[in-house]
Amino acid sequence: DGGITQSPKYLFRKEGQNVTLSCEQNLNHDAMYWYRQDPGQGLRLIYYSQIVNDFQKGDIAEGYSVSREKKESFPLTVTSAQKNPTAFYLCASSVGSNYGYTFGSGTRLTVV
Amino acid sequence: GENVEQHPSTLSVQEGDSAVIKCTYSDSASNYFPWYKQELGKGPQLIIDIRSNVGEKKDQRIAVTLNKTAKHFSLHITETQPEDSAVYFCAAGLVGQGNLIFGKGTKLSVKP
Repeated sequence: DGGITQSPKYLFRKEGQNVTLSCEQNLNHDAMYWYRQDPGQGLRLIYYSQIVNDFQKGDIAEGYSVSREKKESFPLTVTSAQKNPTAFYLCASSVGSNYGYTFGSGTRLTVV
Repeated sequence: GENVEQHPSTLSVQEGDSAVIKCTYSDSASNYFPWYKQELGKGPQLIIDIRSNVGEKKDQRIAVTLNKTAKHFSLHITETQPEDSAVYFCAAGLVGQGNLIFGKGTKLSVKP
């Protein structure tokens, strides 16, 4: 079955540590996205990539980094520079920019 | 840039009643308007979308209407059921360019 997989589902890290969230899709989608979801804030865009080896900052990119070395994969690193990293992170993909997104099931990151 | 406002933030209805969620957008160039349903602990799922060349679209109990002149679009759910209880997000964007901008979500509760 085609889909988009985020792992792990839950992640705990100590403050000051970098952490990488995985996102893999087998839908052959060109575009991939990372969103952060906080209560009452909706979905806020962190980074997006429309093609391999290219990506653009979203509205809240500070403290995050991404790579797009393969079409199927778009990992997100939450660095120690991110001041408030505890949140629910969602990865999505689409055939092209702004066609219907397919979302993963999310990773809940807790930094203690 | 695009800005999407969504109302109400919470909505409670009796089973069998209709529910309406409204969104307004700011960028008249936007031409793609999807709606997503998010159940607790899961990623959002596309339930219906509309493009700006269409004024209304229906899929069983769900319909979306678009008023380009007023720059607003609405989700209508008829004959609501308890399993419709979830958070609903609207979004707007330009097909082929950039990324979707999401509203802050509406928590719909359907009481049996």
